[in-house]
Amino acid sequence: AQSVSQHNHHVILSEAASLELGCNYSYGGTVNLFWYVQYPGQHLQLLLKYFSGDPLVKGIKGFEAEFIKSKFSFNLRKPSVQWSDTAEYFCAVETQGAQKLVFGQGTRLTINP
Amino acid sequence: KAGVTQTPRYLIKTRGQQVTLSCSPISGHRSVSWYQQTPGQGLQFLFEYFSETQRNKGNFPGRFSGRQFSNSRSEMNVSTLELGDSALYLCASRRDTAFGGELFFGEGSRLTVL
Repeated sequence: AQSVSQHNHHVILSEAASLELGCNYSYGGTVNLFWYVQYPGQHLQLLLKYFSGDPLVKGIKGFEAEFIKSKFSFNLRKPSVQWSDTAEYFCAVETQGAQKLVFGQGTRLTINP
Repeated sequence: KAGVTQTPRYLIKTRGQQVTLSCSPISGHRSVSWYQQTPGQGLQFLFEYFSETQRNKGNFPGRFSGRQFSNSRSEMNVSTLELGDSALYLCASRRDTAFGGELFFGEGSRLTVL
């Protein structure tokens, strides 16, 4: 069965620090990869997605992610975080024909002003 | 454009009761999925419907069921509630089931079982 691992359960940073959240998945076939964000009290929103092509994808609010196929990884990055980035971040994988997303456990990000 | 709407937003039930949750997808979206979110298990897939047909089902007991109507609105039902069913139930819609279609999530229905 496919699985998604997010290495960090809770990350605490100061404003302007750089961010990298790890995500690894286990599936050898064709995948689509997603990062979703859940701000406090709000619904899940798509940050960015990778389907094919350039492995470096850019999303909203200055986030980007790099797909490294050989490492089965899709890490999320942001050069300089803001207090408003405080949220929970979920990595998700869709495999061809599955018609569902498999989510990681989520990483809670706290940004101190 | 209205987003995915879920009702009720909050509800409290007791063990043994049943509950029905409703989801109205974004207009034009024909695929509706349901996920259960808990602190311990994270987000887990329940089922997915497209054109009134269940296309995929997650590893949940038969107490969890769903359906989709001709207007794409969907309901899920949980019978004989257990304490462990306390969770945030999320509905998500997308235009179709094409590989890679973006899922749009609702705010969820938070169920507490006492």
